[in-house]
Amino acid sequence: NAGVTQTPKFQVLKTGQSMTLQCAQDMNHNSMYWYRQDPGMGLRLIYYSASEGTTDKGEVPNGYNVSRLNKREFSLRLESAAPSQTSVYFCASSEAQPTVYEQYFGPGTRLTVT
Amino acid sequence: DAKTTQPPSMDCAEGRAANLPCNHSTISGNEYVYWYRQIHSQGPQYIIHGLKNNETNEMASLIITEDRKSSTLILPHATLRDTAVYYCIVRGEEYGNKLVFGAGTILRVKS
Repeated sequence: NAGVTQTPKFQVLKTGQSMTLQCAQDMNHNSMYWYRQDPGMGLRLIYYSASEGTTDKGEVPNGYNVSRLNKREFSLRLESAAPSQTSVYFCASSEAQPTVYEQYFGPGTRLTVT
Repeated sequence: DAKTTQPPSMDCAEGRAANLPCNHSTISGNEYVYWYRQIHSQGPQYIIHGLKNNETNEMASLIITEDRKSSTLILPHATLRDTAVYYCIVRGEEYGNKLVFGAGTILRVKS
């Protein structure tokens, strides 16, 4: 199993450009998440999808949109990139069990907006 | 959520036990304690979790005080590969599967 995969690994954008970060998992998990991590800080939740067909805002959703394409895939879109969105983006997935919140993380996408 | 407090950094000698403390004095009865770690540039990795009782798995042990206001993650024989940021997270079932990461503790294992 590949686990959680993310593409691309690195990206440089100019201010105002748009792009979509892709995430896929092969563990048949119901829940998927997008986080961002700024230098020297912990992860902050952008959006999550508790199950296929549902999405909800996390702590820092402004400037982002998401799509839960199917059970495997969850994409994050930046419509008009800003320098403040320079960060490392992590996708994660988990089962929707009531008492186990083990999340499996992808390798991250390092995004620079100039 | 219960807020957690961790020291910003710790050092440990290779082969010795690493004991990482976490304070969560406002934890409520149904909130679990989770530990994750993040090795440089990688995605976080789940280590262990617990509610009241001490827990042990192949990676680590989790010791939770009787009043549940603090806990300690123990890596019994630290190796250089255990150098990472360790996150203590407290979360209840009512928040679903959402985790809130603080700044964590940077553990440096030295030879």
